[in-house]
Amino acid sequence: DQQVKQNSPSLSVQEGRISILNCDYTNSMFDYFLWYKKYPAEGPTFLISISSIKDKNEDGRFTVFLNKSAKHLSLHIVPSQPGDSAVYFCAASVRYGGATNKLIFGTGTLLAVQP
Amino acid sequence: NAGVTQTPKFQVLKTGQSMTLQCAQDMNHNSMYWYRQDPGMGLRLIYYSASEGTTDKGEVPNGYNVSRLNKREFSLRLESAAPSQTSVYFCASSEFGAGTSYNSPLHFGNGTRLTVT
Repeated sequence: DQQVKQNSPSLSVQEGRISILNCDYTNSMFDYFLWYKKYPAEGPTFLISISSIKDKNEDGRFTVFLNKSAKHLSLHIVPSQPGDSAVYFCAASVRYGGATNKLIFGTGTLLAVQP
Repeated sequence: NAGVTQTPKFQVLKTGQSMTLQCAQDMNHNSMYWYRQDPGMGLRLIYYSASEGTTDKGEVPNGYNVSRLNKREFSLRLESAAPSQTSVYFCASSEFGAGTSYNSPLHFGNGTRLTVT
């Protein structure tokens, strides 16, 4: 039962254009959403997050949009650069075991930005 | 500025062998986690430690044990390795519980690639 879904395994975009990565979730109890970026042979690194009470958060070239009614979030990268080529994971936070939150990750989307 | 350090980077085991994956963080974080990454499965939580002295099971704890040795170190042990445990293992830490309203993201190590034959 995949609670966080990234239905596009890969995405290819031209340098300078917009990249849009999508994520769907099923659990309405998620209270925080995060995006991570992962290069080969490295651990994931935190990119941007959004609280469930907001619908948009922006940080430089990266913007995350949250549509709670559709249980959908997206990451926009504008303009895309070759260095953005990586796997992007969507993650959602939920209370777990009563004591702390845990993150549930999607399966990832491989973004390739073509020069 | 080391962050989260994992050792070893690579390991090959035969079925039935045991080993311990080591993890240390130098950010004075309270919470630590072990995840595994498998193709098509994303990152799945094995065990976590919300604070020094406590450990709890995650989504896929079977076949593993953990020890929170002190605030800095959190180890993962495979007592009798199985081919199904072939995976990339990531240790992570966060100041508070991951993804809480304190906006406490996880910081990951670079992973241990384990192959069990």
